[in-house]
Amino acid sequence: DAGVIQSPRHEVTEMGQEVTLRCKPISGHNSLFWYRQTMMRGLELLIYFNNNVPIDDSGMPEDRFSAKMPNASFSTLKIQPSEPRDSAVYFCASSFVRAPTTEAFFGQGTRLTVV
Amino acid sequence: QQQVKQSPQSLIVQKGGISIINCAYENTAFDYFPWYQQFPGKGPALLIAIRPDVSEKKEGRFTISFNKSAKQFSLHIMDSQPGDSATYFCAASIEGGATNKLIFGTGTLLAVQP
Repeated sequence: DAGVIQSPRHEVTEMGQEVTLRCKPISGHNSLFWYRQTMMRGLELLIYFNNNVPIDDSGMPEDRFSAKMPNASFSTLKIQPSEPRDSAVYFCASSFVRAPTTEAFFGQGTRLTVV
Repeated sequence: QQQVKQSPQSLIVQKGGISIINCAYENTAFDYFPWYQQFPGKGPALLIAIRPDVSEKKEGRFTISFNKSAKQFSLHIMDSQPGDSATYFCAASIEGGATNKLIFGTGTLLAVQP
């Protein structure tokens, strides 16, 4: 398996523009997570899905952020409109909900710069 | 209660030395405590994990020490090597339920000097 695949790897956009980040989880995994990484706050959980259903979006910072998972092999995180403070590395991770392990597999991230 | 507090924020260790990173949590329902390692430009990857039924777990040069009563756990890297230079995150989750949400600490940037 190629692992979790994120695109694009880098995104530079102007303030006010819409940004869409994409994620393909590992085949067979039934949980998907979106994290945001910054120097100040570390890895923040934004939202996660189980079996394509959003379970907890309490980490989504504002209504400008939205996430979808239309099927088991694809998810998007959208920011509209984007602001400079949204600049960060966004990670998607997937896992399989099954004891005894909860290992999350991360993609390589999307570095977002909003100017 | 969902937070995991990690320290130090950064750490410089000489080659061959011991690196120690500490984490503390509040939620006593947490029952899975992994450490993730992240190299520049990469996503975090699982390094080692422990459950609260044991006080220590060792894998090679990496050891997790767990103190349930104090609600603390730590990562020890013995004989630290320059290749260990990375950011380390502790995390916690509740297993066995309907979800497996991982809550991460803020990370420790480790630099091992040759």
